[in-house]
Amino acid sequence: GQNIDQPTEMTATEGAIVQINCTYQTSGFNGLFWYQQHAGEAPTFLSYNVLDGLEEKGRFSSFLSRSKGYSYLLLKELQMKDSASYLCAVSTDSWGKLQFGAGTQVVVTP
Amino acid sequence: NAGVTQTPKFRVLKTGQSMTLLCAQDMNHEYMYWYRQDPGMGLRLIHYSVGEGTTAKGEVPDGYNVSRLKKQNFLLGLESAAPSQTSVYFCASSYPREREPADTQYFGPGTRLTVL
Repeated sequence: GQNIDQPTEMTATEGAIVQINCTYQTSGFNGLFWYQQHAGEAPTFLSYNVLDGLEEKGRFSSFLSRSKGYSYLLLKELQMKDSASYLCAVSTDSWGKLQFGAGTQVVVTP
Repeated sequence: NAGVTQTPKFRVLKTGQSMTLLCAQDMNHEYMYWYRQDPGMGLRLIHYSVGEGTTAKGEVPDGYNVSRLKKQNFLLGLESAAPSQTSVYFCASSYPREREPADTQYFGPGTRLTVL
């Protein structure tokens, strides 16, 4: 079967750093995506990893280890607007189908 | 560019009623997808299409049908709605795109459906 696990909720203070872990076991692997979803809104693309290593994009970084089936999303200098759900998703074939984790709710406190 | 749009935004149905959800994209994307999102379960793929006139089943296709008669539109139908189909439905599209990963999916705003 396919399994993507991430923590349900994390709380951090404004200005701090939070790391959201994602572990996966899927039948195929064509890349790993992170999406951000604010309450009541659509998911929006944050980052993509297909090779091992770190991808940095401003305050957000994402890391992938294919041999360990592991990724993390690092959010630095947290702002109140970063309070949202963060979705880990694995592309499992060449048709772009995504298998999503249940999402991690990040709560940023003042 | 409107991106991906969905109609309607909200709908309440009674058990046994039918309805069609419309998804439209203006990005000339080949691939389109329908997902449902339920609390604690993440997004689950219902059906998808890799081109005009083609459709395929995803993870949870039972009780739903789809059609892709035009490249820009992807319709999701519920023939006889059940309370278990109460959910938020998202449409997404992808491929090709030059600057970001080719299979990055772009999502519509969602349709909130309640079946009584």
